[in-house]
Amino acid sequence: GAVVSQHPSRVICKSGTSVKIECRSLDFQATTMFWYRQFPKQSLMLMATSNEGSKATYEQGVEKDKFLINHASLTLSTLTVTSAHPEDSSFYICSARPERTGTEAFFGQGTRLTVV
Amino acid sequence: AQKVTQAQTEISVVEKEDVTLDCVYETRDTTYYLFWYKQPPSGELVFLIRRNSFDEQNEISGRYSWNFQKSTSSFNFTITASQVVDSAVYFCALSERGRSQGNLIFGKGTKLSVKP
Repeated sequence: GAVVSQHPSRVICKSGTSVKIECRSLDFQATTMFWYRQFPKQSLMLMATSNEGSKATYEQGVEKDKFLINHASLTLSTLTVTSAHPEDSSFYICSARPERTGTEAFFGQGTRLTVV
Repeated sequence: AQKVTQAQTEISVVEKEDVTLDCVYETRDTTYYLFWYKQPPSGELVFLIRRNSFDEQNEISGRYSWNFQKSTSSFNFTITASQVVDSAVYFCALSERGRSQGNLIFGKGTKLSVKP
C-alpha cells in the first residue's frame, strides 16, 4: 500500500523554540495533506488541510501563526510549531491521499512532541 | 452536522472471545465514506477498512467483519476469536463527499484490551 513517512517520531524541545515536523508521501503524489492532533486518550482532531502551492486551510480555533504549514511540493508538507509551549505537547499525525480517486488516506507514523 | 459516535470507551475481553465495537454516524450527505482504523500503543494509525455509502454489503476479512446498516446509521466492527495482539484503540471515521477525501471526522475511539 501507499506509504506516508512522518519525521521525527519523537521530539523534545524547550519552551519558546520552534519544531518542524515533516510529512512525506513516498510513493505517490498528494495535492492535499492533512494534519491532526491527538491529546492523550482522546480522538484525532483535524487541525488544518495543507494544499500544495497555496495557503493551508485551518480549522476553527487553530492558530495559524502558531502552527505554520508549508506544502512546497506534491510529496512534502511540513508543520512548524512556533514558540512552543508545554500546552502544545501532543501527538501530531499527518495523512495524505493519492491523487487517484477512490482510495483512502494514508497516515504517517505520528510525532510525539514534548515541550519542557 | 457530521458526527461519529463510539459509545464504548473501553472494552475488556478474554482471549478467544468475540467482540463487537459499535459506531454510529451522522451526516447529511448521501455520498460518504466510513473507515475503521486501529491505533496500537506505538501510535500509528493502521487502516482496516473503507466503505462507501452505496455499498451495504457486509465484509469479512479473516477474523474481522463489518456490518454496515444505513437504516440505523451504524458501521459496527466485530473481531472473532480475539487475540492479545488485537489490543489497541479502534477509531471509526467518516468522510463526506463535500469535503476532500482524507479529511476524516473521527469518533472518540474504543480501547480494546484482550487478556490472555
